Amino acid sequence: RKEVEQDPGPFNVPEGATVAFNCTYSNSASQSFFWYRQDCRKEPKLLMSVYSSGNEDGRFTAQLNRASQYISLLIRDSKLSDSATYLCVVNHQAGTALIFGKGTTLSVSS
Amino acid sequence: EPEVTQTPSHQVTQMGQEVILRCVPISNHLYFYWYRQILGQKVEFLVSFYNNEISEKSEIFDDQFSVERPDGSNFTLKIRSTKLEDSAMYFCASSLPSDYEQYFGPGTRLTVT
Repeated sequence: RKEVEQDPGPFNVPEGATVAFNCTYSNSASQSFFWYRQDCRKEPKLLMSVYSSGNEDGRFTAQLNRASQYISLLIRDSKLSDSATYLCVVNHQAGTALIFGKGTTLSVSS
Repeated sequence: EPEVTQTPSHQVTQMGQEVILRCVPISNHLYFYWYRQILGQKVEFLVSFYNNEISEKSEIFDDQFSVERPDGSNFTLKIRSTKLEDSAMYFCASSLPSDYEQYFGPGTRLTVT
């Protein structure tokens, strides 16, 4: 079983749409959770950390359900510039390996 | 804003040759990492380095690979005898000791022919 699983997509949405990505992780010892964004042939860039209480950063909302081992990312009012691959990432301990999902591709069109 | 830098951006090498990929982590960070991403696949952890020694490595990081911090700023990944399947993007990352967040460099695209 893969440690971090994501729906690969692609998700093709019009500008202004709301889109949600889901992710599940298998290791209950995971301590930290993130969404990274990766543009084509570029490095992963931290989008946001995910907390149990849920957190919001502008148009982006992340949720964590530890009981279900499930992480989500909601993007409201999609922009063309949101087109990218969104990577679900977990970590067991500070200073150790980040474990990446394969990513979900989003394409926003005008 | 401080950032991780990597050189070269693209390296082409012949099978069997040695390559050294270079990284300059963020200056006050103390944990350093290498990851790789084969085209079309997920980002995979190779190794982490702290206090001048390897703190964790994956099964990908076999005897062909080594890491070094030769001075106070550089962090290198050496592949001793490259294979075709080593072709990938190699990303360096760094973090603070108490911080789960890791910051990535722009990557080196390694092509083995």
